[in-house]
Amino acid sequence: TQLLEQSPQFLSIQEGENLTVYCNSSSVFSSLQWYRQEPGEGPVLLVTVVTGGEVKKLKRLTFQFGDARKDSSLHITAAQPGDTGLYLCAGVYNQGGKLIFGQGTELSVKP
Amino acid sequence: EAQVTQNPRYLITVTGKKLTVTCSQNMNHEYMSWYRQDPGLGLRQIYYSMNVEVTDKGDVPEGYKVSRKEKRNFPLILESPSPNQTSLYFCASSLQRTYEQYFGPGTRLTVT
Repeated sequence: TQLLEQSPQFLSIQEGENLTVYCNSSSVFSSLQWYRQEPGEGPVLLVTVVTGGEVKKLKRLTFQFGDARKDSSLHITAAQPGDTGLYLCAGVYNQGGKLIFGQGTELSVKP
Repeated sequence: EAQVTQNPRYLITVTGKKLTVTCSQNMNHEYMSWYRQDPGLGLRQIYYSMNVEVTDKGDVPEGYKVSRKEKRNFPLILESPSPNQTSLYFCASSLQRTYEQYFGPGTRLTVT
């Protein structure tokens, strides 16, 4: 069974702090996606990274794909209460339709 | 409005009583998938479909059935539900070339 280890599982920080969430696997992905989920709703796609070493920025969020396409990170700069939510990474294997999700990171940003 | 719809949103049932959760998308997506979400386990893929009449098992297919007779619909069938299938279920669709998932609002299922 392929695994995608996401860490940390819980993160509680103050407004203005920086944070990083990690996703790691021993398997190579054809692409990796990051989603954000709010209570009572389905996850919403934030970004997809495809190329090894790729870096994408979405306002204060920076996403990086590892050179070997086995790991990824999400860095949030100067977190705000509106960033609170569940962050999920998902790896796509060989474009065959199978997706593996990490366990999720529950982020709470306090004012 | 582009969307994935699921019905019902909430369902309480008893062990062994067959049920179907419907999923429909209006984006003409080839790919559709079902997931269950449980605390501490993230989202786990149950079944997916690359196109009409093409389905395949995800990581946790036991106890579930699916069919894809039309491009827009992908129902999830529990022939004989058991309490360990109590969970939050999500349907999703995407273009086949990106697999970027558009999720439905979820169905909270309780099996007693």
